[in-house]
Amino acid sequence: DGVVTQSPLSLPVTLGQPASISCRSSQSLAHSDGNTYLSWFQQRPGQSPRRLIYKVSNRDSGVPDRFSGSGSGTDFTLKISRVEAEDVGIYYCMQGTHWPWTFGQGTKVEIK
Amino acid sequence: EVQLVESGGGLVQPGGSLRLSCAASGFTLSGYWMHWVRQVPGKGLEWVSRINGDSRKRHYADSVQGRFTISRDNAKNTLYLQLNSLRGEDTAVYYCGRDHYGYNSIDYWGQGVLISVSS
Repeated sequence: DGVVTQSPLSLPVTLGQPASISCRSSQSLAHSDGNTYLSWFQQRPGQSPRRLIYKVSNRDSGVPDRFSGSGSGTDFTLKISRVEAEDVGIYYCMQGTHWPWTFGQGTKVEIK
Repeated sequence: EVQLVESGGGLVQPGGSLRLSCAASGFTLSGYWMHWVRQVPGKGLEWVSRINGDSRKRHYADSVQGRFTISRDNAKNTLYLQLNSLRGEDTAVYYCGRDHYGYNSIDYWGQGVLISVSS
């Protein structure tokens, strides 16, 4: 199975400051069809996951533009330009290139 | 508005069975692959199973292969997961999710349903 590893696992952030989460895959996520299938999900406390980003850098409708995704190959990043209180939660990356799809362990974002 | 609502969870003994349902609305179920993903309380996410629109293709995680069966009734706009031979490690919140076709991702998730396997 494709292993994806997130870091850090815990991320205390000051309101208004930037935050960055890394997602690294054990193998390249470049698919034979030319696309790279890496998604990011946010799970607020007590809620189900909500997708933020798909195909590395495409933001879902309604997702604030302070969220951005980047990367290629085996290294990917989710950035929050200025953290707000509503961003508290656990963030997961998920690779959809190799079967079965696999998720990172999650990064808990909290306010300092 | 796309909505997915799971039901059927509860407490079951090891070796027992349960069937989960996921009622879909706001879109035509038959046009989409659908998934089940689970989350052990306080832990991460694990993909479990998926099924294509006409039920001809079904895939399972190794951890549930042979014990779980995914199915769907497009006329009823409902996805199912039959869980047999349940083990303690199957205790989790089970989410249904809609496949984002062509993007190898899940774009909508249900609120989840808890299954507890314990004697």
